[in-house]
Amino acid sequence: NAGVTQTPKFRILKIGQSMTLQCAQDMNHNYMYWYRQDPGMGLKLIYYSVGAGITDKGEVPNGYNVSRSTTEDFPLRLELAAPSQTSVYFCASRDSAYSGNTIYFGEGSWLTVV
Amino acid sequence: GNSVTQMEGPVTLSEEAFLTINCTYTATGYPSLFWYVQYPGEGLQLLLKATKADDKGSNKGFEATYRKETTSFHLEKGSVQVSDSAVYFCALAGNNDMRFGAGTRLTVKP
Repeated sequence: NAGVTQTPKFRILKIGQSMTLQCAQDMNHNYMYWYRQDPGMGLKLIYYSVGAGITDKGEVPNGYNVSRSTTEDFPLRLELAAPSQTSVYFCASRDSAYSGNTIYFGEGSWLTVV
Repeated sequence: GNSVTQMEGPVTLSEEAFLTINCTYTATGYPSLFWYVQYPGEGLQLLLKATKADDKGSNKGFEATYRKETTSFHLEKGSVQVSDSAVYFCALAGNNDMRFGAGTRLTVKP
């Protein structure tokens, strides 16, 4: 059972470059999330989606875009990368709107912008 | 909006010591509360959860009770082990999103 799969695991970007972090889940979960974790800090919500075709902003959406064309996939796009976007990115999913459902995390993507 | 405030670390304990990590929250409605653990280089894993007031979540010797009157969900363990060394996150889930505390790094020394 793969769960939540993120790619790539590590990436170095130059300032101004763009890239997409991929996220896929095989649990048929409706809810999916992108978080970033800065060194020594907690998780900040970037974007989330409650189902295919529906996305919404979290706490720190600036500099990012998302799409949700299928239930399984929730890619995160970085446009014009900046050093402030150096972070660890986690994708996560949850079964439904019920708040008691466990949220499952991918293993993370380490991104460095130089 | 919803938010979580977590005791700042780092926390260093000797093996078999008692652990408490404080967590308080602000929320509308009836959120669920969670503790997640993160080992070095890994993603977050669920440790325990509670979905309504007065519920007690427990796992691997860790416990936390959902206290609505004090808006708290403190994590406790009676006797920590070296293998418990990790970062612990308190989290709150509403219907759509999930918010995390800043995390508390625990180091347990033999």
